[in-house]
This record gives sequence, structure tokens and C-alpha cells, in this order.
Amino acid sequence: AQSVAQPEDQVNVAEGNPLTVKCTYSVSGNPYLFWYVQYPNRGLQFLLKYITGDNLVKGSYGFEAEFNKSQTSFHLKKPSALVSDSALYFCAVRGGFKTIFGAGTRLFVKA
Amino acid sequence: DTAVSQTPKYLVTQMGNDKSIKCEQNLGHDTMYWYKQDSKKFLKIMFSYNNKELIINETVPNRFSPKSPDKAHLNLHINSLELGDSAVYFCASSQAPTGGSPLHFGNGTRLTVT
Repeated sequence: AQSVAQPEDQVNVAEGNPLTVKCTYSVSGNPYLFWYVQYPNRGLQFLLKYITGDNLVKGSYGFEAEFNKSQTSFHLKKPSALVSDSALYFCAVRGGFKTIFGAGTRLFVKA
Repeated sequence: DTAVSQTPKYLVTQMGNDKSIKCEQNLGHDTMYWYKQDSKKFLKIMFSYNNKELIINETVPNRFSPKSPDKAHLNLHINSLELGDSAVYFCASSQAPTGGSPLHFGNGTRLTVT
């Protein structure tokens, strides 16, 4: 069975600084990995995904994620954080029919 | 031109009542889902349909019954509502049931059972 762990409940970063939101996964077979963002009172929005190929994938709003097979990690990154990036971020893995989500990491970007 | 729309947005009801939540997607996707998000924001898959066929049926009380009249619609009916059913219910769709197609979510239905 697949699983996802987001070890940090909350990440605090100053505006303009780089940010990293961590994710590790467990899945049998090839992983399909995703990051989603949730703003208050809204549904989740897809940011980016890894299927195969380059370990660094680029997504929406300047976000990127680095896939590391040996560490079974898929960390979300952004070179320069914006206050508007403050939200709840979910890592997800798909195995078979199911997409399983991590517990979420709340990102606070301070001006 | 909302891609995945759910109604109602808010639902407040008393214990023991029966209620339904409707979902429609205009993306032409084959697969639809219901997820439950609890007060700690944890997301749990409940059901999934692919081309009107049930493909995921998680350990959910049988008071919850999904219905997919066509592949653009997935409704959720809940019988004999309990306090513990209070949560935000999200409908989602994806192009295919497996692989790399991402999920597209509605904005949720906040169910409060009193």
C-alpha cells in the first residue's frame, strides 16, 4: 500500500527567501507524485507532478519539486517566497486507482 | 465555467436526517471521486467511479451511498446523519483512473451535523 509523509506541520519563511516543503513517500512500482495547494475555503489546486524523466519538475506559480528515488522524497521548492504563497500544501502519491494525500504542511510567508 | 462544481456549499442539518450532495464536472473526465476532509485537514478517499462504474469503495459506513448517473455527475447520499459526519466533502475528477493525470477538485461542501 502506498503512503505519504509530510514531516512538518508548519513551515515559516520570510518573503524573498527560498522555501522547501518536505515529502517522503512509499509505493510499490513506479511512483506518480503530485503537489497540491489549498487556500482557505477552497478545493485543492494541482501544482505539479512527477511521472518519469528529469528529477526536477517545474509547476505553477514558480514552484518546482525535486524527485529523489534513493531517498524516496519529493520536496517542493521555490527560489523566492511570496506572502501570497501562504497556504496549505499537500503531497500525494498515486498507486493503482488511489491517490493518497499527506497530512499537509501549512506554509506561512512573512512580509 | 467552473470545472468541478458541488452543491450545496454549506449544509447544516440535525442528527438522523438524510442529505445529498451533488457534483458535476465539465472537463470531460472519465473518473470522479469523493474525498472527506476532517477538522485537522486530513483527506481521505471515500469512493471513485470510472465511466459510471464503482472502482474505489473505501471502509465507509453503508449510510454513505454514491451514485453516478453519467460520467459527468457523481452524487453522495448520506442516511441517518451522525455528529461524526461533520466535515468538508470534496468532489474531484481526473482524466483517467490511474497514472499521471492530476485530480481537479470542487470547492467543497461543508457539512455540519448538530
